[in-house]
Amino acid sequence: DGGITQSPKYLFRKEGQNVTLSCEQNLNHDAMYWYRQDPGQGLRLIYYSQIVNDFQKGDIAEGYSVSREKKESFPLTVTSAQKNPTAFYLCASSRSRGAYTEAFFGQGTRLTVV
Amino acid sequence: AQSVAQPEDQVNVAEGNPLTVKCTYSVSGNPYLFWYVQYPNRGLQFLLKYITGDNLVKGSYGFEAEFNKSQTSFHLKKPSALVSDSALYFCAVRDNNNDMRFGAGTRLTVKP
Repeated sequence: DGGITQSPKYLFRKEGQNVTLSCEQNLNHDAMYWYRQDPGQGLRLIYYSQIVNDFQKGDIAEGYSVSREKKESFPLTVTSAQKNPTAFYLCASSRSRGAYTEAFFGQGTRLTVV
Repeated sequence: AQSVAQPEDQVNVAEGNPLTVKCTYSVSGNPYLFWYVQYPNRGLQFLLKYITGDNLVKGSYGFEAEFNKSQTSFHLKKPSALVSDSALYFCAVRDNNNDMRFGAGTRLTVKP
């Protein structure tokens, strides 16, 4: 069954902790993305990767880090430097970053700072 | 910079009536436009896209969208709404860097 798997579905973080959100895809897609969703603001791009071992900052990369060691995997680390990390995080992939291609999304991870 | 606007936060329709969710865009070149739907606590699902060609694009679940270049609009439509269509709908555009820019979303509620 092809798709994008995000885990965990819910995550709680204490102040000052780093946490890592997992994203795995078996669609053989080259491009992968991380978005943050806040109520009433749509989706904002955190990081994207077009190919293994390469990634670029999006609009709101501060306080986040990523890696792309394998084509299938694009984990996101929310660091203690991220001042307001409570949000819904969505991972997506597409065949390429070409203009014609739609993105496919995982089910999301809801991160809450306690 | 490329952007999309969804002028309505909320759209309410009765089941069986036609629905329209509005989207306007701003691009400097050819527009590549997309519609997605999101159910509560879930990811986004792709509905349809406009790349080129016929201005009326048909997509999943009976949805269609009309591209209007002169009005820079890409409104989502369905002839007969279902209660199960109630969800959050996002319009998106690919920008010059091929990043996908999303609107703020429109919450559609279909009442029985």
